[in-house]
Amino acid sequence: GENVEQHPSTLSVQEGDSAVIKCTYSDSASNYFPWYKQELGKGPQLIIDIRSNVGEKKDQRIAVTLNKTAKHFSLHITETQPEDSAVYFCAASTSYNFNKFYFGSGTKLNVKP
Amino acid sequence: DTAVSQTPKYLVTQMGNDKSIKCEQNLGHDTMYWYKQDSKKFLKIMFSYNNKELIINETVPNRFSPKSPDKAHLNLHINSLELGDSAVYFCASSPATIREQYFGPGTRLTVT
Repeated sequence: GENVEQHPSTLSVQEGDSAVIKCTYSDSASNYFPWYKQELGKGPQLIIDIRSNVGEKKDQRIAVTLNKTAKHFSLHITETQPEDSAVYFCAASTSYNFNKFYFGSGTKLNVKP
Repeated sequence: DTAVSQTPKYLVTQMGNDKSIKCEQNLGHDTMYWYKQDSKKFLKIMFSYNNKELIINETVPNRFSPKSPDKAHLNLHINSLELGDSAVYFCASSPATIREQYFGPGTRLTVT
C-alpha cells in the first residue's frame, strides 16, 4: 500500500515569514494530494489539493507543488499569521482506490507574533 | 447548517462497555468514512460506505461495527471497549465523483 511521510513534525516561524511542509509518497499510482489544517479540538479542514496532472496550485497565501518524478509534494504558506498556527496533514490517494486517503503524520506549525 | 455532525463530542466509559457514535451529513454526499486519530495525531481510515455499501474495511478489530441506515448517516458501534480504543474518532464524507473529504468535529472517546 501507499506510504506517506511528512516533515518536519514541528515548525516554528515568525509572523510574516514563510513556512514549507514537505511530504513524500511511495505509490506511483497516487494521483490526488490534499492538504488539511486541523485546529485544536476541531476536525481536519481541506485547505488545498492538487492532482497529478498539475505541477503547482495556488490559493492566496497558500500554494502546493508536486514533483511526480521524485514523488514529493510540498505546502507553502507565505506571510504567515498567528491564525495559521495549527497541525497540517498531507495525504495521498491512488487511481485504483481513490476513496482511501493515506495521511502523513502531521506538522505542528507555530506562528509567533 | 453544520455539514458533517457527530454525537457525542465526548464519551467517557469503562472497559468492557458497548458504545455508539453517530454521524450525519447534510451535504448530499454518497460516501462516508470513519477515521481514528491516536494520541500522536496519526489519522487512519477504518471504514468507508458508498450509498450504504461497505467499500473500505481496514484491519480493525471486529468489535468495531459500522452501520449505515441511509446515505446521510454512518454510525460506529464498539463492543467490549478496551483502553487502546481511546482516541478521537472522525466521521467524513465526500461526493461520488470528487475526492474531497469533509470531516466532522470528532468524538473524543476515553476508556478508563
